Amino acid sequence: KQEVTQIPAALSVPEGENLVLNCSFTDSAIYNLQWFRQDPGKGLTSLLLIQSSQREQTSGRLNASLDKSSGRSTLYIAASQPGDSATYLCAGGGSQGNLIFGKGTKLSVKP
Amino acid sequence: GAGVSQSPSNKVTEKGKDVELRCDPISGHTALYWYRQSLGQGLEFLIYFQGNSAPDKSGLPSDRFSAERTGGSVSTLTIQRTQQEDSAVYLCASSLRVGLTLTPDTQYFGPGTRLTVL
Repeated sequence: KQEVTQIPAALSVPEGENLVLNCSFTDSAIYNLQWFRQDPGKGLTSLLLIQSSQREQTSGRLNASLDKSSGRSTLYIAASQPGDSATYLCAGGGSQGNLIFGKGTKLSVKP
Repeated sequence: GAGVSQSPSNKVTEKGKDVELRCDPISGHTALYWYRQSLGQGLEFLIYFQGNSAPDKSGLPSDRFSAERTGGSVSTLTIQRTQQEDSAVYLCASSLRVGLTLTPDTQYFGPGTRLTVL
């Protein structure tokens, strides 16, 4: 059974710092790995999706990597801003597309 | 274009009552998923629909939970004889299935329905 773990559970950084969020999964037979952000009281916003055949994806200041052999993914955020404050969730996708989520990393970027 | 919509946004009910939650996926998306997010818990997969195929119900926590998808579009999640542990935010997502192998694509989530069982 797939299990997804995110470390750290919470992170506070000053504005402008580069940071890395970590995600690990137990079953390397994932079809994709998706990163989301969740703002309080709101739904999920998709940030990046990495298919199993890919190693990384980039969007603006965000870069996500996937290493299936080690069961790890990282989300790199460059030059963090207060608007980046949110909970970041990673999820491993099965063959039918259903996602197994980690419990998230709550990020606070202080001005 | 319009995203995934869900209704109601909030629902308060008494223990033992039945509730229905509605999801309107993005037009043209063939795959539809239901998840729930309980306080202090992660997001939990409930059920998945793909086109006209039989749904994958492997995530439903009990037989009090059921879902249907009419005409390959709108979906309704029904919880019968609600219990306090059913209190959670219920999220719906939709996606395309791309390519010959129907590779799962990015899931787009609705704002959720917050269910409170008193």
